[in-house]
Amino acid sequence: SQKIEQNSEALNIQEGKTATLTCNYTNYSPAYLQWYRQDPGRGPVFLLLIRENEKEKRKERLKVTFDTTLKQSLFHITASQPADSATYLCAILTAGTASKLTFGTGTRLQVTL
Amino acid sequence: EPEVTQTPSHQVTQMGQEVILRCVPISNHLYFYWYRQILGQKVEFLVSFYNNEISEKSEIFDDQFSVERPDGSNFTLKIRSTKLEDSAMYFCASNREMNTEAFFGQGTRLTVV
Repeated sequence: SQKIEQNSEALNIQEGKTATLTCNYTNYSPAYLQWYRQDPGRGPVFLLLIRENEKEKRKERLKVTFDTTLKQSLFHITASQPADSATYLCAILTAGTASKLTFGTGTRLQVTL
Repeated sequence: EPEVTQTPSHQVTQMGQEVILRCVPISNHLYFYWYRQILGQKVEFLVSFYNNEISEKSEIFDDQFSVERPDGSNFTLKIRSTKLEDSAMYFCASNREMNTEAFFGQGTRLTVV
């Protein structure tokens, strides 16, 4: 069966450190993989998109890697800040599916002082 | 900055009643979506809409659900006869092109009693 797995346990990290979140998928052939941020009671907010033929993408303190052999994406936040505390969602977009996003369950990140 | 707006923010309805959730997507966007998120669970795709017709729908989107774009700006989700299990946060989303970042609204929290 198809699965998108993210760490269900919260990730606690100290301010200034690098947070690394994992997204593993099975039985998908994603053309694109996206990362979103979700705050409690709010809608997802887009962060980064990476294509199947890209290995890495960066935006400011954010970095995403995509390994189609391992079927895994890693999401990094460098120099993390308390304001980065949120749930981070991985979403797969399969070619030819009218841009339908299939989300993982998300990983809650807590950045402490 | 343009945003997707949803109304109402909260809706409480009795089981068996019809509800209409409303969304105003970003004005130059062409692709529209509804997602839902049951409390504590992942964001799930319901339906995508393009060129005034449904392009894809999930198994959740059964005959009780319908979508409409009645004018140039609104995009609605109707649930004909609500069930307790329809209680969830419903998110509208839009994007200008396929396979690009999706912009989500802040959601409508639907509670069926």
